[in-house]
Amino acid sequence: DGGITQSPKYLFRKEGQNVTLSCEQNLNHDAMYWYRQDPGQGLRLIYYSQIVNDFQKGDIAEGYSVSREKKESFPLTVTSAQKNPTAFYLCASSIHPRQEQFFGPGTRLTVL
Amino acid sequence: QKEVEQNSGPLSVPEGAIASLNCTYSDRGSQSFFWYRQYSGKSPELIMFIYSNGDKEDGRFTAQLNKASQYVSLLIRDSQPSDSATYLCAVTHSLNNDYKLSFGAGTTVTVRA
Repeated sequence: DGGITQSPKYLFRKEGQNVTLSCEQNLNHDAMYWYRQDPGQGLRLIYYSQIVNDFQKGDIAEGYSVSREKKESFPLTVTSAQKNPTAFYLCASSIHPRQEQFFGPGTRLTVL
Repeated sequence: QKEVEQNSGPLSVPEGAIASLNCTYSDRGSQSFFWYRQYSGKSPELIMFIYSNGDKEDGRFTAQLNKASQYVSLLIRDSQPSDSATYLCAVTHSLNNDYKLSFGAGTTVTVRA
């Protein structure tokens, strides 16, 4: 089955801890993205990568970090510097940055 | 000014009616336009994309694009209770070959049985 997987589905974190969210795709897509969604709001871009070993900051990158060492994988680390990390995190990919993006099932992060 | 704006709703329509959703965008150079459907607690699912002015039909869905007016819409014909969801408008714009997708906040649609 081709698609995008994210793990874990739910994640609980204590304040001051870093956590890493996994995103894997087997669609052979070049571009990958991380978004954050808060209740009643649209998606906001955190980081994106158009090619392996390269990534750019999105609109709300502060307190987050990423890596893109493999085409299939684009993990997101939520650091303790992120002031309000409780949100629904969505990973997406597209065959080309101009074309449609497909989303994984998401990770719901709660800071306790 | 937000890059992509939608009426938040909720938009309530009776079963079998047409639901009409509107979206405006600020960047006149925007190139690609998408509609996603998002059920509560789930991730967005692509339902339509349109690149050129005019109408594009896919089953019960029709997307309409008017670049001169910077306006894109989605019509859902013969609305069903399963169409009850939030619909996100998304627009691609580019700067120096760097493409970004901006999302509206979404319109919540409720189809009454």
